[in-house]
Amino acid sequence: AQSVAQPEDQVNVAEGNPLTVKCTYSVSGNPYLFWYVQYPNRGLQFLLKYITGDNLVKGSYGFEAEFNKSQTSFHLKKPSALVSDSALYFCAVRAFSITGGGNKLTFGTGTQLKVEL
Amino acid sequence: GAGVSQSPSNKVTEKGKDVELRCDPISGHTALYWYRQSLGQGLEFLIYFQGNSAPDKSGLPSDRFSAERTGGSVSTLTIQRTQQEDSAVYLCASSSSAGTYYEQYFGPGTRLTVT
Repeated sequence: AQSVAQPEDQVNVAEGNPLTVKCTYSVSGNPYLFWYVQYPNRGLQFLLKYITGDNLVKGSYGFEAEFNKSQTSFHLKKPSALVSDSALYFCAVRAFSITGGGNKLTFGTGTQLKVEL
Repeated sequence: GAGVSQSPSNKVTEKGKDVELRCDPISGHTALYWYRQSLGQGLEFLIYFQGNSAPDKSGLPSDRFSAERTGGSVSTLTIQRTQQEDSAVYLCASSSSAGTYYEQYFGPGTRLTVT
């Protein structure tokens, strides 16, 4: 079974400071990792994904994430936070399955990011 | 282009009534997914459709829940004899394929309240 952990329910950061939202995962086989963001009363928006290749993945709105296989982590980062980044962030994982049964995403419980002036 | 749309955006129903939630995926997307988002419980997979293949129903919480996808496009999630614990936001997503590395695009959700 695959699982995702987001250890922090909330992260607070001052505008202009770097931010990190943590994610660790557990899968059998190669992981495919995703970050989504949810603004109030909106659906989830795709931010970025790791499939293979470079461990540092760049995505939308200046976000990036670093895949670390030995630590089974995929932390989301941004060098300089904006107040408009305040939202709920979800990490998700999928595992490749030769039987094709692993197509559903397993999500973490989400981390509320609050960026203050 | 148009994204995933869902209707209604809000639904309030009495316990015991049936409800139907609708999802219009992005045109051309062959894979369609339903998730449920409950307060404090994150997102829970319900069901997914890929083309004409049999759907993966492994996430449906009970036999009161069912879904269909007509013509490979629009999908309807039906909840029979609603219970208060069914109150949640129901999210639909689509992707251009069900391949493992394709990202899913989500609709705005339907907020269901069972009174």
